[in-house]
Amino acid sequence: DIVMTQSPDSLAVSLGERATINCKSSQSVLYSSNNKNCLAWYQQKPGQPPNLLIYWASTRESGVPDRFNGSGSGTDFTLTISSLQAEDVAVYYCQQYYGGPLTFGQGTKVEIK
Amino acid sequence: EVQLLESGGGLVQPGGSLRLSCAASGFTFSRYAMSWVRRAPGKGLEWVSGISGSDNTYYAGSVKGRFTISRDNSKNTLYLQMNSLRGEDTAIYYCANHRRGSYNDAFDIWGQGTVVTVSS
Repeated sequence: DIVMTQSPDSLAVSLGERATINCKSSQSVLYSSNNKNCLAWYQQKPGQPPNLLIYWASTRESGVPDRFNGSGSGTDFTLTISSLQAEDVAVYYCQQYYGGPLTFGQGTKVEIK
Repeated sequence: EVQLLESGGGLVQPGGSLRLSCAASGFTFSRYAMSWVRRAPGKGLEWVSGISGSDNTYYAGSVKGRFTISRDNSKNTLYLQMNSLRGEDTAIYYCANHRRGSYNDAFDIWGQGTVVTVSS
């Protein structure tokens, strides 16, 4: 199974400041047939289902604010919130859909400092 | 409007069974891979099981041999039959749609979830 490891487990950022979440996979999730990374990012707020933010590692889902950006390739990925807003308080998960059992990172809790 | 609506959760004793359902609307259900994902209390998201549009099935190791995923395209409904339930199966269970229909793709539509509690 591909193990996804996020860091940090939690972070507190001031409003308007940058938040950065890292995700590392135990093996490459680069899909050779289309040269895209099978990596997604989700946001989950309390009492709500997860919400897809980013797929193919860097493609923003329709309707997602442009302050959310995904980057990385192979085994190392990053989700950046360029200017944290109050409504961004949530747990964020990375997930690989390259193959085998689909796996999530353990989650990163983002709070306001 | 694209929608997924789960049902069938509840309180069950260890060793018992439950069948979850997920009613889909607003898209061509038969063309899409679907999955079940759960979140246990105090824990993160865990993918449980998936089924492709051509009925290939996939399971997490933690549920293999105990859970069975299936779909009825005539009813636009996804199912999860859960047998030999354990305390660690206690969670909110979500059904989710794989975008573009492929099993190897992200989940873009999620239901609100149904709560399963395994306790004596």
